[in-house]
Amino acid sequence: ILNVEQSPQSLHVQEGDSTNFTCSFPSSNFYALHWYRWETAKSPEALFVMTLNGDEKKKGRISATLNTKEGYSYLYIKGSQPEDSATYLCATNTGKLIFGQGTTLQVKP
Amino acid sequence: DAGVIQSPRHEVTEMGQEVTLRCKPISGHNSLFWYRQTMMRGLELLIYFNNNVPIDDSGMPEDRFSAKMPNASFSTLKIQPSEPRDSAVYFCASSPGTSSYEQYFGPGTRLTVT
Repeated sequence: ILNVEQSPQSLHVQEGDSTNFTCSFPSSNFYALHWYRWETAKSPEALFVMTLNGDEKKKGRISATLNTKEGYSYLYIKGSQPEDSATYLCATNTGKLIFGQGTTLQVKP
Repeated sequence: DAGVIQSPRHEVTEMGQEVTLRCKPISGHNSLFWYRQTMMRGLELLIYFNNNVPIDDSGMPEDRFSAKMPNASFSTLKIQPSEPRDSAVYFCASSPGTSSYEQYFGPGTRLTVT
């Protein structure tokens, strides 16, 4: 994998559903994996930075895991709420930060 | 802290004009990043500074783009001459360090070149 890839590109869920997204990245020369939340008309806001294989981080209903050996990270949202609607970006730092295209989440009330 | 401050928030200019975007990082942060966001290419890193020194400018599109950081509290991104394809949102971000530290983004400058 030469680039940071995120899937799915977009996701529509109902309020209360749990959901997860995937970020795939080159496993060589890995330093850190970042997750950002980006609401429309605002700027990206940091959620997590993970550096170690097996890292798991949690902030409220949002959690993330990291597998540096196989080059992927999962972001989970438990019990989605309309205010979770945003684009979720991951970025890998291999010397400089390279962003994926993002997963756009729409949570319907 | 007021967060990362960018000015102007919106800029409309004619092709060929010089454009200067400004950024004030969060006090105490020693890394500063300039990004460009477009529909086609998403969020791209243009250049970043560490302790006011440019570390990686490989993302700067061409010689029309230049960036400076004369001190720890101020940076500029200049486009001269500007072209319509430079229209984008330009974000500045700062961080306490580099790879393992989260970045704090400014509100962005929306540039339109006609």
